[in-house]
Amino acid sequence: QSALTQPRSVSGSPGQSVTISCSGTSSDVGGYNYVSWYQQYSGKAPKLMIYDVFRRPSGVPDRFSGSKSGNTAFLTISGLRAEDEADYYCSSYAGRENFVIFGGGTKLTVL
Amino acid sequence: EVQLVESGGGLVRPGGSLRLSCAVSGFTFTSNWMLWFRQAPGKGLDWVSLIDRDGTTTFYADSVKGRFTIARDNARNTLYLQLDSLRVDDTAVYYCAKDLNYGQSDSWGQGTLVTVSS
Repeated sequence: QSALTQPRSVSGSPGQSVTISCSGTSSDVGGYNYVSWYQQYSGKAPKLMIYDVFRRPSGVPDRFSGSKSGNTAFLTISGLRAEDEADYYCSSYAGRENFVIFGGGTKLTVL
Repeated sequence: EVQLVESGGGLVRPGGSLRLSCAVSGFTFTSNWMLWFRQAPGKGLDWVSLIDRDGTTTFYADSVKGRFTIARDNARNTLYLQLDSLRVDDTAVYYCAKDLNYGQSDSWGQGTLVTVSS
C-alpha cells in the first residue's frame, strides 16, 4: 500500500490560514471516515489533532479543522500562531490488511 | 493522567533481537486496543502492529510480519513488542500508543530508540 501524499512544506504568516492536503485512494481516505491528523514537534511524540476526518480531541483549539472530499483529506489551521510551526502527518484506516497508513508529513513554517 | 512509558530500546547487531515494553497508567488498559508505531531518523511515521483488548487478535505491517510479535499482559498493564531478525532498516524510534478507533491514537509514549548496526 502506497503512503498517502502530502505536500512537503507549507507556510503562512501569523493570523493567516493554511490548508494541508492528504491524497489517498478509495481503499483508504475515500473509503473510510477514519482519517486523523497528528502534530509533531522535533524530537517529541506525535499529538492527535483531528480524528474521524473532522473531530477534535478535548484540548485541541478550534483553529484546527478537518474535512474530506473524495479521496483527499484536508487539515486547515486558521489564525496561525508561532507555536503551530511543526510537522503534520495524516493517517487513514486502510482495511484489515494494511490497517493504518500515513502521509509523508508536511512541515509547517510560520513566517 | 494517561501515561505510556516505553523501554527496552538500544543498540543491536543485524540478526539480533530486542523486547520493547510499554507500561501504561491512567486509563483502563483492558478497554483499549493498542498499537506500535515507528519513525526512522529524519523520516515519517509508520504503523508497525496492533493488538486487541485480550491479546487474541493481532495485525502487522508487511515489513515486520514474521519477525516482530506484539503481546500484552493485562494484569501488569504492559504492552510488548518482540523484535527478532532485526535489520538495519528497522532502526527507528518505536512508539506505543492507545487506540481510539481504527488505528487513530489519542495517547502516545515518548518513544524508545532501536539502533540496528554492525
